[in-house]
Amino acid sequence: EVQLVESGGGLIQPGGSLRLSCAASGFTVSSNYMSWVRQAPGKGLEWVSIIYSGGSTYYADSVKGRFTISRDNSKSTLYLQMNTLRAEDTAVYYCARMDYTSPTYFDYWGQGTLVTVSS
Amino acid sequence: QSALTQPASVSGSPGQSITISCTGTRSDVGGYKYVSWYLQHPGKAPKVIIYDVDKRPSGVSNRFSGSKSGNTASLTISGLQAEDEADYYCSSYRSSSTFAVVFGGGTKLTVL
Repeated sequence: EVQLVESGGGLIQPGGSLRLSCAASGFTVSSNYMSWVRQAPGKGLEWVSIIYSGGSTYYADSVKGRFTISRDNSKSTLYLQMNTLRAEDTAVYYCARMDYTSPTYFDYWGQGTLVTVSS
Repeated sequence: QSALTQPASVSGSPGQSITISCTGTRSDVGGYKYVSWYLQHPGKAPKVIIYDVDKRPSGVSNRFSGSKSGNTASLTISGLQAEDEADYYCSSYRSSSTFAVVFGGGTKLTVL
């Protein structure tokens, strides 16, 4: 059974850093396209970042230069390193697996982890 | 302001059909077959119900169908059921110098 479990969220002050983790089971992270998608409280979904199976990474303009996506193949875990956090980064962060044949087809999602950026 | 435009809310009675629109541009919805739809119940993760404009993942009810005309994609739900009450989001690939996926602002479906 495919499962994604995020962790690492919490309350952080503006300008701070946080690293989110997404533990995957039932499939191999390194062989798949993995993404982070976020949702601000009461708002819609926003794509954040993706890492291809080959290792290429891409980011939304809103986080480029501040966030870094990575993975640990041995732990089958996806990460999102978030630096220089802003109030507008407050959201539930979901990790999701993307079907490599279709760039908007996120077939499995985690339950999400809440990041709150506030002083 | 979301990249794709959806109505904020729609409603229908059990058994009826409703359609939710998703309007973009030639750079996203109009330019690619890569449009997906997600439903999200309160406090839950999104679930894909349509991908590649009109394809249904295994296990998704055939009451959900998708289509596209020009820069507007549509999701139709037939035979409305109480459990269909949820938020619905469209998404599209967008042409860019890098990878980019955009979402609509979401539509709240109320089953009366």
